[in-house]
Amino acid sequence: AQSVTQPDIHITVSEGASLELRCNYSYGATPYLFWYVQSPGQGLQLLLKYFSGDTLVQGIKGFEAEFKRSQSSFNLRKPSVHWSDAAEYFCAVVLGHTGGFKTIFGAGTRLFVKA
Amino acid sequence: SAVISQKPSRDICQRGTSLTIQCQVDSQVTMMFWYRQQPGQSLTLIATANQGSEATYESGFVIDKFPISRPNLTFSTLTVSNMSPEDSSIYLCSVEDQGVYTFGSGTRLTVV
Repeated sequence: AQSVTQPDIHITVSEGASLELRCNYSYGATPYLFWYVQSPGQGLQLLLKYFSGDTLVQGIKGFEAEFKRSQSSFNLRKPSVHWSDAAEYFCAVVLGHTGGFKTIFGAGTRLFVKA
Repeated sequence: SAVISQKPSRDICQRGTSLTIQCQVDSQVTMMFWYRQQPGQSLTLIATANQGSEATYESGFVIDKFPISRPNLTFSTLTVSNMSPEDSSIYLCSVEDQGVYTFGSGTRLTVV
């Protein structure tokens, strides 16, 4: 069955340190891949997406993600974390689905930033 | 990308009552989606709503509990019927526009 795995329930990093959030997917083909961020009490905001082409994609707020087909991974990175990055991060894949497409979300990784 | 206005942003409801959540999009979109996010969990797709046809519900969700309307290409409603405390969640609508999925700010529902 198709699935998205975010192995880290939460991560704590120091402000200014680098960040990597892991995401693995299980799907027979290459899906469309997304990272979203959700601040407390807010909806989801799209950080970046991968459809095809260059496997390193740049997003908003200084985030980037790299698609690695051999590892079925789409890890999110940021070289220097800011306190405002503290939020919940969701990896998602979009798959072909009867009647159209559907999005499957990972369980999320909560990022804590310490001063 | 599309801009979504969802309301109410939050509500506290008595068990046994119903709440209708509205989702307004600033552009015409074919596909709209309704998600539930239970406390501390990820998003679960409730149903896909296409204009002019019945909504398609995911396993575990039924129309009697979550009736959906989609009267035109910019608007949809989700009703949470006969609510119980287990329905306390955040409900989000989402639209697909050129391969990108945009989300509303969500409705935080608490059932007491």
